[in-house]
Amino acid sequence: QVQLVESGGGVVQPGGSLRLSCAASGFTFSDYGMHWVRQAPGKGLEWVAFIRYDGTNKYYADSVKGRFTISRDNSKNTLYLQMNTLRPEDTAVYYCANDPGIFLYIDYWGRGTRVTVSS
Amino acid sequence: QSALTQPPSASGSPGQSVTISCTGTSSDVGGYNFVSWYQQHPGKAPKLLIYEVSNRPSGVPDRFSGSKSGNTASLTVSGLQAEDEADYHCSSYAGSKYLVFGGGTKLTVL
Repeated sequence: QVQLVESGGGVVQPGGSLRLSCAASGFTFSDYGMHWVRQAPGKGLEWVAFIRYDGTNKYYADSVKGRFTISRDNSKNTLYLQMNTLRPEDTAVYYCANDPGIFLYIDYWGRGTRVTVSS
Repeated sequence: QSALTQPPSASGSPGQSVTISCTGTSSDVGGYNFVSWYQQHPGKAPKLLIYEVSNRPSGVPDRFSGSKSGNTASLTVSGLQAEDEADYHCSSYAGSKYLVFGGGTKLTVL
């Protein structure tokens, strides 16, 4: 069965950095686009970033453009999110999720990893 | 790109039907048939219920159905059951390689 397992979350000070990882299994990782979506405490979902199945194109929400970088290693079935210059408003649970195409729909979601930006 | 508009709450009694709306613009919901709906129980990951406006993935009961009219998409849950109590989120492709979500609707089964 499809499994997406996020890791790398934690508490970081404003201006700091974190790198999230998402280990994928149960499907052909290199055939799927991948998203990061976040959910702030008590709030709705917010799309963060998307990377094509082959890693050739990457897209970002305006709120993270220039600060976050999405990447993938298809040989390791792993998705990454490098988060720099973190702000308190980046505090959220971060989910990775797969997409059978390019912004077709989000099919499966991981259980999320919590990021807290606070001094 | 602004978030889609969902009612914060909805409710119904077991066996009844409930419809949750998701209102966007001609740049997202009205412009593309890439509307999806997700169910999220407390502390859990979201689960895909509906994709491309009205398609159900295998394993999703046919009590869940989706539709769209103009800039508003809708999710209908028929024959409400206790386990349907959850948060429901809509999303739409918004062009220029951007995805938008609604604020979520908390469904209560009375």
